Amino acid sequence: QLQLQESGPGLVKPSETLSLTCTVSGGSISSSSYYWGWIRQPPGKGLEWIGSIYYSGSTYYNPSLKSRVTISVDTSKNQFSLKLSSVTAADTAVYYCARLLAVDEFFDYWGQGTLVTVSS
Amino acid sequence: AIRMTQSPSSFSASTGDRVTITCRASQGISSYLAWYQQKPGKAPKLLIYAASTLQSGVPSRFSGSGSGTDFTLTISCLQSEDFATYYCQQYYSYPITFGPGTKVDIK
Repeated sequence: QLQLQESGPGLVKPSETLSLTCTVSGGSISSSSYYWGWIRQPPGKGLEWIGSIYYSGSTYYNPSLKSRVTISVDTSKNQFSLKLSSVTAADTAVYYCARLLAVDEFFDYWGQGTLVTVSS
Repeated sequence: AIRMTQSPSSFSASTGDRVTITCRASQGISSYLAWYQQKPGKAPKLLIYAASTLQSGVPSRFSGSGSGTDFTLTISCLQSEDFATYYCQQYYSYPITFGPGTKVDIK
């Protein structure tokens, strides 16, 4: 059974960089059939797609965040990562990692999510 | 970006009710639409993709329909475990976008 697990600091200071890692188990991140993505959800609000990455390193980013986002993949560790720079309180959210089909980009497996709070 | 809207934003229903949630895209997205269920404190769960294809393991009381700009999610006989928030998502073009959600609570 595929599992995804987010990890990283739960508290980040304003203007600093948020860094999260998603560890994939029960399957290979190097499969040609899937992309791997990040989605966030501010408390009490809806879902926002941040970006996605293929095992080869190809990326797609949400234009609303593109200038601040970097997603990378480490196939040797079966992990992919998110960096979001210059964070503000508006970046406080539960961050989810998830798997997308490469052909159709819906999310079929999700991590449990991790709350990241931006505060001094 | 394609804007997704949902109606209603919330409503109350009773166990056994037939409920329908509507999702509308700001432009045609063919059948590139997915539906998710989210319960408090949990990750979203995929229910339906390609507008009408039921994800493996999802009860058959859930169904989806529509194409182009207008879509519906129907729960034929609401069960206690179905009280949750439901989101639609388009994957016709980047950026991937979600609807604002429809919360179904107990009447």
